[in-house]
Amino acid sequence: NAGVMQNPRHLVRRRGQEARLRCSPMKGHSHVYWYRQLPEEGLKFMVYLQKENIIDESGMPKERFSAEFPKEGPSILRIQQVVRGDSAAYFCASSPQEGYGYTFGSGTRLTVV
Amino acid sequence: EDKVVQSPLSLVVHEGDTVTLNCSYEVTNFRSLLWYKQEKKAPTFLFMLTSSGIEKKSGRLSSILDKKELFSILNITATQTGDSAVYLCAVGSTSGAGSYQLTFGKGTKLSVIP
Repeated sequence: NAGVMQNPRHLVRRRGQEARLRCSPMKGHSHVYWYRQLPEEGLKFMVYLQKENIIDESGMPKERFSAEFPKEGPSILRIQQVVRGDSAAYFCASSPQEGYGYTFGSGTRLTVV
Repeated sequence: EDKVVQSPLSLVVHEGDTVTLNCSYEVTNFRSLLWYKQEKKAPTFLFMLTSSGIEKKSGRLSSILDKKELFSILNITATQTGDSAVYLCAVGSTSGAGSYQLTFGKGTKLSVIP
């Protein structure tokens, strides 16, 4: 069981570029959650998805950020036109059912230069 | 807005000491409280607590929840250098959108020195 796989581990983007972060949930998990961790801050909820559906995106910034979890393939968190303030660690978690058995990935550290 | 406050923010102890980490919360629609250990990578699950007064134990770690006073503690006895990490407290609740959501505290950074 490979666990939750996130890639890339580190991503450097220039201001204005797009960042794509990928998350493959654990085998058997159909619920995916994205969190952002800023320096010296706790993890902040961004979005909760099930296959092909966004269940709760109340933590997502209204502009430039989007997420998907297609029927086939990993979940993608996309940040368009990145700015320096987007620099953070982005963690993905998955679970077999809502509210139970969260497992986190190792995160993607995004640096915007 | 849901809030989770951990204390202390950082702690330095010697090997063999016992430590107590604190987590207080204010959330609507409480469902569970979780503790994670985060080293330089993924937060790893330690405990999930849903009922008051029932201690959960795993080796040298234990945790208990008080739903009346809205707090939890994580105890680590006979600390080892491998316990050095950031310990995260998270509260699971039902969000305004009706889904389960975790609200995290900022963590307690524990450093165990030989």
